Amino acid sequence: AQSVTQLGSHVSVSEGALVLLRCNYSSSVPPYLFWYVQYPNQGLQLLLKYTSAATLVKGINGFEAEFKKSETSFHLTKPSAHMSDAAEYFCAVSDLRGFKTIFGAGTRLFVKA
Amino acid sequence: EPEVTQTPSHQVTQMGQEVILRCVPISNHLYFYWYRQILGQKVEFLVSFYNNEISEKSEIFDDQFSVERPDGSNFTLKIRSTKLEDSAMYFCASDNLLDTQYFGPGTRLTVL
Repeated sequence: AQSVTQLGSHVSVSEGALVLLRCNYSSSVPPYLFWYVQYPNQGLQLLLKYTSAATLVKGINGFEAEFKKSETSFHLTKPSAHMSDAAEYFCAVSDLRGFKTIFGAGTRLFVKA
Repeated sequence: EPEVTQTPSHQVTQMGQEVILRCVPISNHLYFYWYRQILGQKVEFLVSFYNNEISEKSEIFDDQFSVERPDGSNFTLKIRSTKLEDSAMYFCASDNLLDTQYFGPGTRLTVL
């Protein structure tokens, strides 16, 4: 069975500060990992994905994430937060078949001016 | 850029009524999915569909739910007898397996 745990339901940073959103996964098979962003009243947009190639994955809007197998982590980072980054972020995992994606509970990012 | 579309954007229904949520996946995609998100909660997988049959389903997807691809473009989710707890945002998604999964904008279902 697969699962995802996102540490911190709310994260608040100042504009220009580092963004770090934490995600740990559990999977009995090599995982595929994803980060999605959801703006208010909108659908899900893929930020980036890890599919067993490079462990450091770069995504859209300046975000990146590093797959660390030893720590079963896939934390999302951005060097400098922008007001437009304020949204809900979901970490997700699927298996190699890809039929089913399991989402974490989400982390709401607040960006202070 | 291709996109997944969903109709209606908001559906209000009475408890016990049947509802059909419609999705038009991206045209060359072969795999289709439904997810739901109860207000303030996480996104939950409901079902995946490939080659005109269900590939996988969650425990949420009980006998009250069914999916269908009635023609070459639409992908529908039917809830036979809605309950209050079915109120949620329902997202359709499509992909070509392990490729980027594209999500639709969602249908907000309100059961009164």
